[in-house]
Formats: sequence, structure tokens, C-alpha cells
Amino acid sequence: NAGVMQNPRHLVRRRGQEARLRCSPMKGHSHVYWYRQLPEEGLKFMVYLQKENIIDESGMPKERFSAEFPKEGPSILRIQQVVRGDSAAYFCASSGTNQETQYFGPGTRLLVL
Amino acid sequence: GENVEQHPSTLSVQEGDSAVIKCTYSDSASNYFPWYKQELGKGPQLIIDIRSNVGEKKDQRIAVTLNKTAKHFSLHITETQPEDSAVYFCAATSGGGADGLTFGKGTHLIIQP
Repeated sequence: NAGVMQNPRHLVRRRGQEARLRCSPMKGHSHVYWYRQLPEEGLKFMVYLQKENIIDESGMPKERFSAEFPKEGPSILRIQQVVRGDSAAYFCASSGTNQETQYFGPGTRLLVL
Repeated sequence: GENVEQHPSTLSVQEGDSAVIKCTYSDSASNYFPWYKQELGKGPQLIIDIRSNVGEKKDQRIAVTLNKTAKHFSLHITETQPEDSAVYFCAATSGGGADGLTFGKGTHLIIQP
């Protein structure tokens, strides 16, 4: 059973460009969470989605950030007009329909030049 | 919202000795407390979790204790081995796992040979 998959693993963008991060949950999981980790810090919750629904986006910056989890395909975290402060590791986690343990992917390391 | 404090930030122990990492939380409604291990360049890996209806849980060399009254929980690793060296994160949530996790800032555990 494949784990949570994220791609790309590393992403380099120049200021003002767009970043798209993809997450495929574990097989059978329908709940996806996105977290951001700054260097030497813990993970910060951003958004919680189920298929075609955003359940909780209380941790998402109000501008430039958006997330979706379509009926078909991976969940996407989109960052528009990136700034240097967006440089971080972005992790996706998934859980099963019983809404229990969250399993994390390997992360996407975003570097904004 | 929830706030999780984790101590110490760095812990160095001799191989074979025990290691204890402590966390406190602020939201009395929190009812699910997972612990994750993160190795360099990888995503967090769940090592053990505990729910508020139990006070202690053990899995081989790893145990977690929970004191709901004091709002703190601890990770205990016995007979430490070099492969235990990593960053450990505690987390808490009031959604039973269904909501976003609030993480501590992490403990860098170093096992001295």
C-alpha cells in the first residue's frame, strides 16, 4: 500500500511566480491536510480538505494561497506571486474515512529566489 | 486556539539510556495526542499516539503518558539506539484526529555512542 505521495520534492521559483504543490493521499483515504514547516520549527496547520470540499482553512494566509482536492486527481496547494518568505517545506498528510491518524508525505521543499 | 509547548529543544543521551520528552497543551478540549519522528529531509513519521480516554500506552521501547488534569503528556524511549537520533514532535487536537494538528517546536534527540 503506497504511502502519501507528494511532488515535486523540490521546487525553485523566482519571486512573483506561481508554485503548485501536489499531494496524492494514501489509498482509501479521503481526508487531506496541508502543513508548512519553516527551518528549525514545528509544522503549522494550513488547511483541511475532503473530496471537493474545504473543511477548515483557518491556517491559510488570506491572500495568494489556495487549496483544492478535486473528485479526481491529487490535492493541489497553489501559491501565487511567491515571495521569499514562502520558502519552506510543505507537507501533506492524509487520513481515512474514520478521520483518525494522519500519515505524512515526504514533503515539497520550496525555495523562492 | 490550542498552544503546545515542548521541552527540551535538544536532548543528548548515551546509547542504552532512556530519553524523556515533555509537552504541555492549553486547550482542555484536546483529546488526541500523536508523536512523530522526523529524520533529516523526510516527512514526519507517526511513532505512537494516545487518546484522552487512557493515561498510558506502550509499544515496545516507546511509551506515552497523558495527564489530563495537568494538561501534559510525555514520550519515553527506553534502551535508546543510534537510529533513534532524529527530531521528535508532539501534537494535539480536539477533533480526535479529524482536525488540524497543533505541533510543538520539536526536540532534537542525539544518541551518543
